[in-house]
Amino acid sequence: QQQVKQSPQSLIVQKGGISIINCAYENTAFDYFPWYQQFPGKGPALLIAIRPDVSEKKEGRFTISFNKSAKQFSLHIMDSQPGDSATYFCAAKPSGSARQLTFGSGTQLTVLP
Amino acid sequence: GAGVSQSPSNKVTEKGKDVELRCDPISGHTALYWYRQSLGQGLEFLIYFQGNSAPDKSGLPSDRFSAERTGGSVSTLTIQRTQQEDSAVYLCASSKQGGTNEKLFFGSGTQLSVL
Repeated sequence: QQQVKQSPQSLIVQKGGISIINCAYENTAFDYFPWYQQFPGKGPALLIAIRPDVSEKKEGRFTISFNKSAKQFSLHIMDSQPGDSATYFCAAKPSGSARQLTFGSGTQLTVLP
Repeated sequence: GAGVSQSPSNKVTEKGKDVELRCDPISGHTALYWYRQSLGQGLEFLIYFQGNSAPDKSGLPSDRFSAERTGGSVSTLTIQRTQQEDSAVYLCASSKQGGTNEKLFFGSGTQLSVL
C-alpha cells in the first residue's frame, strides 16, 4: 500500500511561473517530510525538509507548506527557472525505530524558457 | 571519496544470471541504504544498515535479493536468478548516523537491465 501519494506525475511551467507539487500521506506516525530533487543520470539530492511542528518552511525560491490535519504537504517553487527542470520526490519518515524514508512516485517538472 | 560511489553504472544481464552491485558510502557514514527506482515509480526501500546492528531487510522483495556490508563500509547488493522485473535503477545512499532528520546522500545508481 502506497503510503505517500504524489501529484501531478508531470508538470510543465513557463519560466518565472510557480510550480506546485502536492503530497498526501496516511501514516500519522510520520514526523519528517523532506523533498528530494533528481536530475537525469544522478541520484536524488535533498532540497528542503520540514517537521510537523511548523506549517511552512522557506529556503530561497523553495517553500514547503504543511497541513497536519489534512495530512498533506506541498512544494512551491517560485520564479521557476529552466535549471529547476528535474524530477521531484516527496518523502516521509516515521518517528521511532524505523529509519527508512517512504518516497512518493515523483513529479517530472519541465520549466520552459 | 567525495560522495557515494556505485559500480557498475550500467549492467546488462540475461535472465537467470546472478548480479552483484557495489556501493562505497561516504567515509565515516555509519548508515547505508539501498533503494530501487523503477521507471515511473518512486524509490522503493530495500535494506538499511546501521553500524554493527542487524540490517533492516524488510524491503527486500524476495529471497533472491540479499545484501552485505563488510567492515561497516562497502556494501554489495546481490540479486540471484535475475528476472526481467528486476530491471531498474538501484540506488545506494548513506548518512552520518541514520538519525530521524538526517540528510541522505545518494549515489548515481546502477542501471540494471535484465534481458
